Amino acid sequence: GAVVSQHPSWVICKSGTSVKIECRSLDFQATTMFWYRQFPKQSLMLMATSNEGSKATYEQGVEKDKFLINHASLTLSTLTVTSAHPEDSSFYICSARRDQNQPQHFGDGTRLSIL
Amino acid sequence: EDQVTQSPEALRLQEGESSSLNCSYTVSGLRGLFWYRQDPGKGPEFLFTLYSAGEEKEKERLKATLTKKESFLHITAPKPEDSATYLCAVPSYYGGSQGNLIFGKGTKLSVKP
Repeated sequence: GAVVSQHPSWVICKSGTSVKIECRSLDFQATTMFWYRQFPKQSLMLMATSNEGSKATYEQGVEKDKFLINHASLTLSTLTVTSAHPEDSSFYICSARRDQNQPQHFGDGTRLSIL
Repeated sequence: EDQVTQSPEALRLQEGESSSLNCSYTVSGLRGLFWYRQDPGKGPEFLFTLYSAGEEKEKERLKATLTKKESFLHITAPKPEDSATYLCAVPSYYGGSQGNLIFGKGTKLSVKP
């Protein structure tokens, strides 16, 4: 159990376009979902935390107008990178958690490349 | 402030050569310590949760242990398929956080046949 699906796994697009990434918990209800960014050979950097039906909480330095997060249901959260530019190219990973004190379960990530 | 430090940064082993990875932590009120495995280009895969000092968990060739200040991930007779980066993390409730995971930088394990 505890499977998290992330889609797409890889996307290439032109500068200025918006990209939506989906994160789904397939076999459990996730009260909280998290979005991370990971640079090569570095650990995960938390971008934001979202609770179902509430506004996301963004980490310091993360532009909430650039990275729009929607947690519409207990099994789905989306991250939209608006007006993406080459510096937004990175590996984005989501995770989902049933409740506090439970482990986070991660998706397989989305490799975003902006040309 | 909550912190997690992992050592070594990289570890090269021969197949069958047992060893241990270390994770030391500083957190106010531990509410679990998590071990993950991450393969290149993939998200972290959950391995273990440890909640209290003295607790041990095992899975195949891996055994995780916990003390009041650190955790060890013991790898017994590793195989090449155990090669990955192993991440240790603790949830933080510092400053109103919602149990956000504080990750160590990981230990990159390479097992040569």
